[in-house]
Order: sequence, then structure tokens, then C-alpha cells
Amino acid sequence: GAGVSQSPSNKVTEKGKDVELRCDPISGHTALYWYRQSLGQGLEFLIYFQGNSAPDKSGLPSDRFSAERTGGSVSTLTIQRTQQEDSAVYLCASSLTLAGRDTQYFGPGTRLTVL
Amino acid sequence: AQKVTQAQTEISVVEKEDVTLDCVYETRDTTYYLFWYKQPPSGELVFLIRRNSFDEQNEISGRYSWNFQKSTSSFNFTITASQVVDSAVYFCALSENTGGFKTIFGAGTRLFVKA
Repeated sequence: GAGVSQSPSNKVTEKGKDVELRCDPISGHTALYWYRQSLGQGLEFLIYFQGNSAPDKSGLPSDRFSAERTGGSVSTLTIQRTQQEDSAVYLCASSLTLAGRDTQYFGPGTRLTVL
Repeated sequence: AQKVTQAQTEISVVEKEDVTLDCVYETRDTTYYLFWYKQPPSGELVFLIRRNSFDEQNEISGRYSWNFQKSTSSFNFTITASQVVDSAVYFCALSENTGGFKTIFGAGTRLFVKA
């Protein structure tokens, strides 16, 4: 079946504008994760969803970041009033369940550039 | 607290050389899961392998092999007869039984394979 898809693949925006990043997980996967990867760096965990619920938002870098998931499927990560330090690749992953044993499968990422 | 250490930041080898990427982890759980991912220049993280803490058998898949040793808390990855296409960043990750939202990724090892 299809893997995790993300859109757009690239986004260039001006400082202060809002952006929405979309993630379409593997069908049937109940858990969904968002990560951020700055240039040449490792993965920074942002938020996870079990179904439509996000029990812990503490990983989000600031209150300009929000995420939602509807219908237990597609998720949107929104960044308001973007800043240059938000420039990074945003990766989405999904897994069958939230269990630690379940492999996370990653999408291709959205490269965000804030000018 | 859990931790994953990939001490090698960058490794450069010549094609056909064997190369081992080190991964050392820390966890208090007795049940946990270890993963390796490959991130080629295209950016997408590709899942390579998952091992659970109760299975210390080494695994071989083509030119790839993994050596899991609980006694030294290590899960090392060896590429035999490396090829240019192996050039990528490789991430080791640890997930505790608590859940996938507790997955910790190492900082990654960038592998350059020169022709």
C-alpha cells in the first residue's frame, strides 16, 4: 500500500506568514508523529497523535505551533507568524499503534524556508 | 531516562570497504525496541531493522548486518563491501515499551562512500 505522504514537499514563505503542513499517514495506522529536523541535525520530536487525540503538546517549540488530526487520518501542522528559526524539514511518521514495538514509517518531509 | 549515542559524527570510506556504525543506548526498561533508519540525500527516513530486547540474535540482510549485545548496550550496524549508494545519514533509535511517543533517536552518523 501507499506510504506516508506529506505536502507540500517544499514551502518558501515570508517571515510573519502562517503555513500549514499536511501529513497523510499509512491507512490503518492509528498513531501519528511530527518531528522537526534542522539542517544537518537530528530529529526533534514535536507531537504525537493517538487517533485524533494529542495527549501531550509539550514538545511543540512555541504557542505559534499547533497540530490537529481529523477522522483518525490526515494531520495538519500549523505554524503561525513564522520566524526564520522555523526553517527546517518537518517530518511526519505513522505507526500501526502507539506501542513501542510498532515501527514508525516516515514521509518524505516538507522543507520549510522562512525568508 | 533513555538515551541513544552515536559517537561517530561522520565516517568516510572507499567503496568496497567494510564499515561499522556504532550505537550505544541507555534504558531502565527490560522490554525495549531498537531501530536503524537510513536517510539518503533525498531526505526520507527509510526503516532498516527493528529488534526487541529479548532477541539477541544477530541479523544479516544482504550486505547489512546488525550486532545486538545487551551486555554492552550496543546495537551496531555493519555494511560489508560498501557502495556509493550507501552514502547517507544513519540513525539509531530506541523505543521503550511505554509507547512510540517515547522513541529517542541518536544524532545520526553521516557515511560518505567514495568511488
